[in-house]
Amino acid sequence: IQMTQSPSALSASVGDRVTITCRASLSVSKWLAWYQQKPGKAPKVLIYDASTLESGVPSRFSGSGSETEFTLTISSLQPEDFATYYCQQYNTYTYSFGQGTKLEIK
Amino acid sequence: QVQLQESGPGLVKPSGTLSLTCAVSGGSISTTNWWSWVRQPPGKGLEWIGEIYHSGNTNYNPSLKSRVTISVDISKNQFSLNLSSVTAADTALYFCARGVPTLAAAGNFDSWGQGTLVTVSS
Repeated sequence: IQMTQSPSALSASVGDRVTITCRASLSVSKWLAWYQQKPGKAPKVLIYDASTLESGVPSRFSGSGSETEFTLTISSLQPEDFATYYCQQYNTYTYSFGQGTKLEIK
Repeated sequence: QVQLQESGPGLVKPSGTLSLTCAVSGGSISTTNWWSWVRQPPGKGLEWIGEIYHSGNTNYNPSLKSRVTISVDISKNQFSLNLSSVTAADTALYFCARGVPTLAAAGNFDSWGQGTLVTVSS
């Protein structure tokens, strides 16, 4: 299953509302996660099962969608949110990731 | 809280075999979790390599299946990756990760190692 994220890069300011989209080439039901990765670090799960917030993740992060179209929304960007974001499906193995969305400071 | 730590050579010669180990601490490897390897070439995205259950059952990425072997050592609470016939394209940051089982599969990775950079070069 191929995962396609848009946009690939995004410039935004602190306080902005940001939305990243992930599309699957086949239905993955609700089996989708969102990760945040900072340079040289391991990815960190933010959202799983499309819309469930991982424990300890700020509530400004939210996820929605099902089947083939999903979104990650950050309601009010904070300085620590500038990073690369990946979606990943786990409907069936072979698990696959989107190509990433790099969120940069405007 | 479970912690994962990768270890292994940082440099492998072309056509050789890349071997890494992931030590699991703070919890048993013999749980309902699956244990995966994920890699990331420099400046690129994430690629899932394969996973193993404590019973020894495995699933591999078809694109790498002919070269990959993942094994588990319950007595040492660790699992390992062997990738054979490596080329420069296998140069990457290699992560181990814990997969949370769902009704579908176990690819929601809730814990990760810090990653280890492996360079393939003569």
